[in-house]
Amino acid sequence: NAGVTQTPKFQVLKTGQSMTLQCAQDMNHEYMSWYRQDPGMGLRLIHYSVGAGITDQGEVPNGYNVSRSTTEDFPLRLLSAAPSQTSVYFCASRGLAGGLETQYFGPGTRLLVL
Amino acid sequence: AQSVSQHNHHVILSEAASLELGCNYSYGGTVNLFWYVQYPGQHLQLLLKYFSGDPLVKGIKGFEAEFIKSKFSFNLRKPSVQWSDTAEYFCAVTPDNTDKLIFGTGTRLQVFP
Repeated sequence: NAGVTQTPKFQVLKTGQSMTLQCAQDMNHEYMSWYRQDPGMGLRLIHYSVGAGITDQGEVPNGYNVSRSTTEDFPLRLLSAAPSQTSVYFCASRGLAGGLETQYFGPGTRLLVL
Repeated sequence: AQSVSQHNHHVILSEAASLELGCNYSYGGTVNLFWYVQYPGQHLQLLLKYFSGDPLVKGIKGFEAEFIKSKFSFNLRKPSVQWSDTAEYFCAVTPDNTDKLIFGTGTRLQVFP
């Protein structure tokens, strides 16, 4: 299993540009989520999905869109990037490990918005 | 609002010193509790987790955590740290009736030889 994969690893955008951060998992997990990590603020939940066709907002959803057309993929879209969206983005999926629900994180995407 | 507090933002220790990182949560119901570690330049990895049963949980790399329900706490401990433990540590909570994993702000640990 590759686990949770994210692309790209790094991205530089200009203010107003749009882009999609890709996330995929091959563990057949129903639950997937996106977080952003900023210094001194920990990880904050952006959006999450409990299964294909179902998404919901987290703590900081503004400026981001998601969709979940398949179990494997959960892309995060920035429609019009802003400098405040400069961050490291982590995708995660959740499944059973040792009989208990556990979140698995991807390697992250580092985004800089100029 | 539900929250997770990590009061130690930055901890500096010498090798072989003992470690205790605090974690408190505000949710009053049943919770699932986690500690994650993020080594420099890497993504988060699960250290340990508590769902039910014995409140003293042992994780990887010699770490353990104790769930004290009356104090709403889940402190992380290690009796003797190593230089390789230098990382950022995050406490996280999933209230039992939600799908959300709520993180604390993290504690940066630096261990000097």
